[in-house]
Amino acid sequence: AQSVAQPEDQVNVAEGNPLTVKCTYSVSGNPYLFWYVQYPNRGLQFLLKYITGDNLVKGSYGFEAEFNKSQTSFHLKKPSALVSDSALYFCAVRFSGSARQLTFGSGTQLTVLP
Amino acid sequence: KAGVTQTPRYLIKTRGQQVTLSCSPISGHRSVSWYQQTPGQGLQFLFEYFSETQRNKGNFPGRFSGRQFSNSRSEMNVSTLELGDSALYLCASSLGGVTLTDTQYFGPGTRLTVL
Repeated sequence: AQSVAQPEDQVNVAEGNPLTVKCTYSVSGNPYLFWYVQYPNRGLQFLLKYITGDNLVKGSYGFEAEFNKSQTSFHLKKPSALVSDSALYFCAVRFSGSARQLTFGSGTQLTVLP
Repeated sequence: KAGVTQTPRYLIKTRGQQVTLSCSPISGHRSVSWYQQTPGQGLQFLFEYFSETQRNKGNFPGRFSGRQFSNSRSEMNVSTLELGDSALYLCASSLGGVTLTDTQYFGPGTRLTVL
């Protein structure tokens, strides 16, 4: 079965430190991978996506993600975390040959401590 | 460009009632998808509309239905509400077409509470 997983429900990091939010996927075709962020009582906000090409994708607000085909991962990173980055982060995927809907991971709550 | 708008933002209904939620996509976007978000099940796909036609449907009962108008605005309807229908309902719009690479942009959601 095709799926996406976020192995950590909660990630805590100190302000100014680098952050990583993990995402792995299981797919039978080529994956198209997305990261979204959700602030309390808000919808999902698009951060970045990987379609093809360069494995390092840069997105909004200083976030980037690295696609690793051999490890089937697409981890979200930021060199220096801000308190305002505290939110719920979702990884999502579509697969070549699949329908168009996004399949979401379970979400990771990121808390940046001042 | 204005983003995706959803109305109403909050709704309180009682079991057995029906509800209609509305979504206006980003100008020029022709695809509208609906998702249900709950603490227990996470984000689940309900259906997608493109050019007034339902293109995909998730694994939800027939009480959940939707439609799309010629201006791409979409509505979803839930009939005979159950307590388990309490959720945040999110609408997402995208350019559409057959590509799998376009980005879905989400609205703020409608928080439905069923009492």
